[in-house]
Amino acid sequence: DIQLTQSPSFLSASVGDRVTITCRASQGISSYLAWYQQKPGKAPKLLIYGASTLQSGVPSRFSGSGSGTEFTLTISSLQPEDFTTYYCQQVDRYPITFGQGTRLDIK
Amino acid sequence: QVQLQQWGAGLLKPSETLSLTCAVYGASLSDNFWTWIRQPPGKGLEWIGDINHSGSANYNPSLMSRVTMSVDLSTKQLFLKLRSVTAADSAVYYCARVGIRYKWNAPRVNWFDPWGQGSLVIVSS
Repeated sequence: DIQLTQSPSFLSASVGDRVTITCRASQGISSYLAWYQQKPGKAPKLLIYGASTLQSGVPSRFSGSGSGTEFTLTISSLQPEDFTTYYCQQVDRYPITFGQGTRLDIK
Repeated sequence: QVQLQQWGAGLLKPSETLSLTCAVYGASLSDNFWTWIRQPPGKGLEWIGDINHSGSANYNPSLMSRVTMSVDLSTKQLFLKLRSVTAADSAVYYCARVGIRYKWNAPRVNWFDPWGQGSLVIVSS
């Protein structure tokens, strides 16, 4: 199975900050990576797929980059509603796997 | 707008069979793939498997011996069954639509969106 490791697992930041979350794959997955946002008690929401394509309706402050084994999710200017948990997901090969999650808290 | 609504038994005893249903609104089952994912309380996401409209499924090897997915085109519903459950199967279970890309003319998973609201299943004696 392809292992995805997100760093950091916990991140404290302030409204207006720029933050970056990294997702590293145990083997190359080209650009077949997606990012999800999950708020407490809710289902995950797709933010980015294909490593860098923004899902329709997602604010432009979210961006993704990377290919191969290293990927990043960047939030350019944190808004209050962004303080929650983020997951990466590889869709290059079965079984589909997710990173362990990054929890973003208000400093 | 595509919406998925799930339901099923929320409390099971060890060795029983988990059964969940996911109804699809606003999309054709035939034009998409569908997937199930679970999330133990306070933990991360685990992919269970996916299925297309003809019933062809891919399962996570960790669950393959106990899981069955199916679809009913007439009612636009998806079904998940997980046999011989234990406490380790306690989780919120989600259904989701699979976005597809093509690689060498074969459909491949691209993303999951939207997701159902989730169904909490607790296994306890």
